[in-house]
Amino acid sequence: SQTIHQWPATLVQPVGSPLSLECTVEGTSNPNLYWYRQAAGRGLQLLFYSIGIDQISSEVPQNLSASRPQDRQFILSSKKLLLSDSGFYLCAWSAAGMSRGYTFGSGTRLTVV
Amino acid sequence: AQKITQTQPGMFVQEKEAVTLDCTYDTSDQSYGLFWYKQPSSGEMIFLIYQGSYDEQNATEGRYSLNFQKARKSANLVISASQLGDSAMYFCAMREGSSGSARQLTFGSGTQLTVLP
Repeated sequence: SQTIHQWPATLVQPVGSPLSLECTVEGTSNPNLYWYRQAAGRGLQLLFYSIGIDQISSEVPQNLSASRPQDRQFILSSKKLLLSDSGFYLCAWSAAGMSRGYTFGSGTRLTVV
Repeated sequence: AQKITQTQPGMFVQEKEAVTLDCTYDTSDQSYGLFWYKQPSSGEMIFLIYQGSYDEQNATEGRYSLNFQKARKSANLVISASQLGDSAMYFCAMREGSSGSARQLTFGSGTQLTVLP
């Protein structure tokens, strides 16, 4: 069966520090991968999505970047965190050609101080 | 314009009663999919139910059903026989276009449901 792993679960980082959040999917190949951010009490905002290795599309220009060095690995990064980067980050995957089946990771709660 | 609108920031329901969570959507695509997710306080996003735009029958999954009214562009979630464990944030989401491409989900702002004992 397919599983998605996301870590760390919580993170407290100072302003100006770098960030690296990792997401991996098991049990499938060539998944579509997504990074979402959820501000407190709000809906989810799509940040990046990827249909393949090194194929990244950005939805919102900002302080963050994403990379997909391997088929089932998706990384969210920042060189210098801002206070406004605080939030709940969720990774998700969907199978290419499927109409449903967006599965989310357990999320990372990031607090920038 | 908002693609997904959830007009109920918060809802209360008595245990064992049914509750309807509203969702309206806006798209010019003929092919699209509608989803409902549950997010408990732990933060995980739990898939509940899916409705395709060409599905003629309303989707049902156990105690969850989706009241799909295509002409009105609404996709309300009905939870029957509410349980205390149903207390959570509920999100409506839409995928536009065909399923063969990486189509991201667009989410509404959510409805916080509280089930009262």
